[in-house]
Amino acid sequence: DAGVIQSPRHEVTEMGQEVTLRCKPISGHNSLFWYRQTMMRGLELLIYFNNNVPIDDSGMPEDRFSAKMPNASFSTLKIQPSEPRDSAVYFCASSFNLGDGYTFGSGTRLTVV
Amino acid sequence: AQSVTQLGSHVSVSEGALVLLRCNYSSSVPPYLFWYVQYPNQGLQLLLKYTSAATLVKGINGFEAEFKKSETSFHLTKPSAHMSDAAEYFCAVSRGGAAGNKLTFGGGTRVLVKP
Repeated sequence: DAGVIQSPRHEVTEMGQEVTLRCKPISGHNSLFWYRQTMMRGLELLIYFNNNVPIDDSGMPEDRFSAKMPNASFSTLKIQPSEPRDSAVYFCASSFNLGDGYTFGSGTRLTVV
Repeated sequence: AQSVTQLGSHVSVSEGALVLLRCNYSSSVPPYLFWYVQYPNQGLQLLLKYTSAATLVKGINGFEAEFKKSETSFHLTKPSAHMSDAAEYFCAVSRGGAAGNKLTFGGGTRVLVKP
């Protein structure tokens, strides 16, 4: 298995632009998580899905952030419009059951200038 | 609500010395507990997990952790540090049930290994 695949690995964009981050979870995993990591705030859970349904989006910082999971093999995290304070590494993780923990992707490093 | 506290955001050890990273959790029910490691510019990798079996859990790269319910702790140890152990380590907890698969992570401990 190729693991959790995220794209792009790096994204540099100008303030005000729309940014879309993509994630392909491990086949068979039924839970998917989006995290944001910064030096100041550490790891923050933004949203998670179970069987493609959003379960908890309380970590989504603002209405500028939205996430979708149209099917079991694909999810997107969109920021519109982007702001410099959104600069961070965004991780996607997937899981089959709690006892196995999560498998993380390599992350997308977002820089908004 | 559950929480995880990692004592010390930075730890410096000499190569060959004991590595001890502390993790305390709060949970109203027996938890699932995990340690993850993050190397520079990479995602988090699972080191080991406790899921109510043996209280002493062995993981990859010579790490182990002991679940102590009375102390609500899950400290991570390695007898002899190697240069390749330099990374950031995260403790995480979930209690399952209504929390589902949701993990709560500690703030992380960055390990520096001195030659």
